Amino acid sequence: DTGVSQNPRHKITKRGQNVTFRCDPISEHNRLYWYRQTLGQGPEFLTYFQNEAQLEKSRLLSDRFSAERPKGSFSTLEIQRTEQGDSAMYLCASSLVGQGGNEQYFGPGTRLTVT
Amino acid sequence: AQSVTQLDSHVSVSEGTPVLLRCNYSSSYSPSLFWYVQHPNKGLQLLLKYTSAATLVKGINGFEAEFKKSETSFHLTKPSAHMSDAAEYFCVWAGGGNKLTFGTGTQLKVEL
Repeated sequence: DTGVSQNPRHKITKRGQNVTFRCDPISEHNRLYWYRQTLGQGPEFLTYFQNEAQLEKSRLLSDRFSAERPKGSFSTLEIQRTEQGDSAMYLCASSLVGQGGNEQYFGPGTRLTVT
Repeated sequence: AQSVTQLDSHVSVSEGTPVLLRCNYSSSYSPSLFWYVQHPNKGLQLLLKYTSAATLVKGINGFEAEFKKSETSFHLTKPSAHMSDAAEYFCVWAGGGNKLTFGTGTQLKVEL
């Protein structure tokens, strides 16, 4: 069990550019979640997958955001035409449905800075 | 709407003294509640969870929390603070699909 990993750890981009982040969950976990955390705030839910199916999206997830989990393993989060307001820490978490309290394990996050 | 409220944004204690971080929840049914800790430049780590099996929940690093339905509270405590406990603590509610709703966080400072 190597934990949840995220890449890159930091990304600086110019406004209007597209960015893509990757999350590799704990290998046997079937659920994968994306959250966003801005400075001084708690993380906010964006979307989650069970296996390859995207089951819910927050209204925070505008149409510039898209997430995929094509084979039910790793996931990508893409932001198109980035805006300064997208600057935040993007967190990924995974869990195994049916295991005790379904606790989520978080990765270290990708910090996005839009200039 | 179901949510959690952390009553203190900052708490400061001396090393060796008790820690109390307060959290109230709002839910029409018995919730799943968690406490997570976030150290600077590190990922969120689960401290403990409440899932209705027992009202007093013990977690890692000597932390525990008591679920009190009559007070709609889930306060986090530790008998004796250590310098390494300095971090941000989040009270968290798990909703449908187990998506988590985080409180605004409490920054714990531990002084010598």
